[in-house]
Amino acid sequence: AQKVTQAQTEISVVEKEDVTLDCVYETRDTTYYLFWYKQPPSGELVFLIRRNSFDEQNEISGRYSWNFQKSTSSFNFTITASQVVDSAVYFCALSERVSSGSARQLTFGSGTQLTVLP
Amino acid sequence: DSGVTQTPKHLITATGQRVTLRCSPRSGDLSVYWYQQSLDQGLQFLIHYYNGEERAKGNILERFSAQQFPDLHSELNLSSLELGDSALYFCASSVDLGGGNEQFFGPGTRLTVL
Repeated sequence: AQKVTQAQTEISVVEKEDVTLDCVYETRDTTYYLFWYKQPPSGELVFLIRRNSFDEQNEISGRYSWNFQKSTSSFNFTITASQVVDSAVYFCALSERVSSGSARQLTFGSGTQLTVLP
Repeated sequence: DSGVTQTPKHLITATGQRVTLRCSPRSGDLSVYWYQQSLDQGLQFLIHYYNGEERAKGNILERFSAQQFPDLHSELNLSSLELGDSALYFCASSVDLGGGNEQFFGPGTRLTVL
């Protein structure tokens, strides 16, 4: 079973529209961490946000906001007033212990390709 | 710039060959992670080293091996290369062992096996 599901493979919006990228995760760990990374066309992976399983407060950073809901195992990412420079692949990731006493592993979703048209 | 460096940026080689990818973590980071990104498999965790010791293994083939040296840089060795090994290989570093902190990724090494 996929541990991190990003059901939206590709999304296309027109500049200034708001867009939400969905992420659903699955874990048995009671303490886990969720991340969003951005991969622009240049290829590097850029860290956007980290959230631990005990902190369900939503977060806003400029045009970016994140909605973490433990009850639905979701960690969705919204870009407000999108811009062409937001065009990238966005990855949701889960950090969990895969067995007792082990170090954590980061599992990525398959990514959502966001295209913002001018 | 994440502070993580990887060399080389591009590597083109033939099937059956062996290559070594190098990674220098951010200053102060003790953990180094290796990932493979390919079109069919997505971003997959390969292996994690912390302060010179292997701590976790993911979907790493037996033909692949890694190590972390006393100066904390790491090398990923890929041998008996096959066409399917063509991919973007990322190294990431973080300050902790536990994996709760964000990982900072290098620019990647694009490996092409012909």
